[in-house]
Amino acid sequence: AQSVTQLDSHVSVSEGTPVLLRCNYSSSYSPSLFWYVQHPNKGLQLLLKYTSAATLVKGINGFEAEFKKSETSFHLTKPSAHMSDAAEYFCVVSVSGGYNKLIFGAGTRLAVHP
Amino acid sequence: DGGITQSPKYLFRKEGQNVTLSCEQNLNHDAMYWYRQDPGQGLRLIYYSQIVNDFQKGDIAEGYSVSREKKESFPLTVTSAQKNPTAFYLCASSIPFRAMNTEAFFGQGTRLTVV
Repeated sequence: AQSVTQLDSHVSVSEGTPVLLRCNYSSSYSPSLFWYVQHPNKGLQLLLKYTSAATLVKGINGFEAEFKKSETSFHLTKPSAHMSDAAEYFCVVSVSGGYNKLIFGAGTRLAVHP
Repeated sequence: DGGITQSPKYLFRKEGQNVTLSCEQNLNHDAMYWYRQDPGQGLRLIYYSQIVNDFQKGDIAEGYSVSREKKESFPLTVTSAQKNPTAFYLCASSIPFRAMNTEAFFGQGTRLTVV
C-alpha cells in the first residue's frame, strides 16, 4: 500500500536559518512526489514536484527537495527561512497504478520566529 | 486568469439540512476532486470525477453526493446523513485523469460549520 509519513508535525525556526521538513513515502510503483504549501484558510499551492527526472528538484520561493530512493525520502529544504514561509506543508505521493490518486501526508506546520 | 473557484468561502449549516458547495474551474481539466481537511490530518478524498457524467467514491464518501453535468462544474452536497460535517472542504482539478505525474490545482476552500 502507498503511504506518506511526515516525520514532524511542527517545526520552528528563526528567520534566516535553514528549513528542513522531512517526508518518507512507501510506494509499490515508481512514484511522483509533490510538496504543497497551505497558508491559513487558503487552498494548496504547489511548491515543487519530482517526476523521475533529476533527483534534486527546485521549486518556488527558494525551496528544493531531494528524492532518495534508497531512503524512500523526499525532504524539503530552504537555505534561509523568511517570515512569509510560515504555513503548513504537505508531502504528497501520486500513484498511477490504475488512476492518478494523490495520497497526502498529515502535514507539517512551520513557524518562523524573528 | 485560469483557476478554480469555490463558493461560498464560509458556510453555516443547521443540523438536518443539506448544503451544496460550489466548485467551478476554467482550466479545461478533465478530472475534478473533492477533499475534506480536518485539523492535524492530511486531506481525505471524498469523491472524484474523471469525465462529465461520471464520478466515483473516494475514501470517505458516506454522507456526501456530487454531480458532474458540465466539465467546468463539480458541486458537492453535504447531506444530513453526514454525522460530522464541520470541516474545511477543498476542490481540485487536474489534466487527463490517467496521465502520470500530474499535479492537482486547488481552490481556496470552503469552511463549513454546523450550528
